[in-house]
Amino acid sequence: DAGVIQSPRHEVTEMGQEVTLRCKPISGHDYLFWYRQTMMRGLELLIYFNNNVPIDDSGMPEDRFSAKMPNASFSTLKIQPSEPRDSAVYFCASSNRGYGYTFGSGTRLTVV
Amino acid sequence: KQEVTQIPAALSVPEGENLVLNCSFTDSAIYNLQWFRQDPGKGLTSLLLIQSSQREQTSGRLNASLDKSSGRSTLYIAASQPGDSATYLCAVRIGGADGLTFGKGTHLIIQP
Repeated sequence: DAGVIQSPRHEVTEMGQEVTLRCKPISGHDYLFWYRQTMMRGLELLIYFNNNVPIDDSGMPEDRFSAKMPNASFSTLKIQPSEPRDSAVYFCASSNRGYGYTFGSGTRLTVV
Repeated sequence: KQEVTQIPAALSVPEGENLVLNCSFTDSAIYNLQWFRQDPGKGLTSLLLIQSSQREQTSGRLNASLDKSSGRSTLYIAASQPGDSATYLCAVRIGGADGLTFGKGTHLIIQP
């Protein structure tokens, strides 16, 4: 398996623009997580899905953030409109019944 | 709310030394604890996973221990090598929840 695949690896966008981050989890994993990493706050859980259903989105910072998982092999995290304080590395991770987590390589987002 | 603390925040030692990284958590009702390695600009690589019923796990030169009652885990690295230089992250999964709560990591430098 190729692991958890995220795209793009880097994204630079202007404030106010819409940003969409993508994730393909490991085949057969039933959990998918979105995390954000910053120097100040470390790694924070934003939202996670179980069997494509959102379970807990309490970590999503604002209504500008939304996430979807239309099928077992694809998820998106969207920020609209983006702001400079959204600049961070966004990680996607998947897990099989919660026994260990595999992370993607992350998307480094810069909002100017 | 679960809080995870890692000490020290940074560590620099000469090659060949044995070293211990510490992790503490405030809520002992954890489901499991996982140690990750993160290289600069990269994603997270899982090193060791300890279930709440276990006391330790070993992989090569790495040994992780868990004392759930005291809310502590240690990662022992034997005969350190320059290639071990990275940030090491501790994360706990609380029973009844599915996401991980991370510490802010220990930035480790092994001097050749």
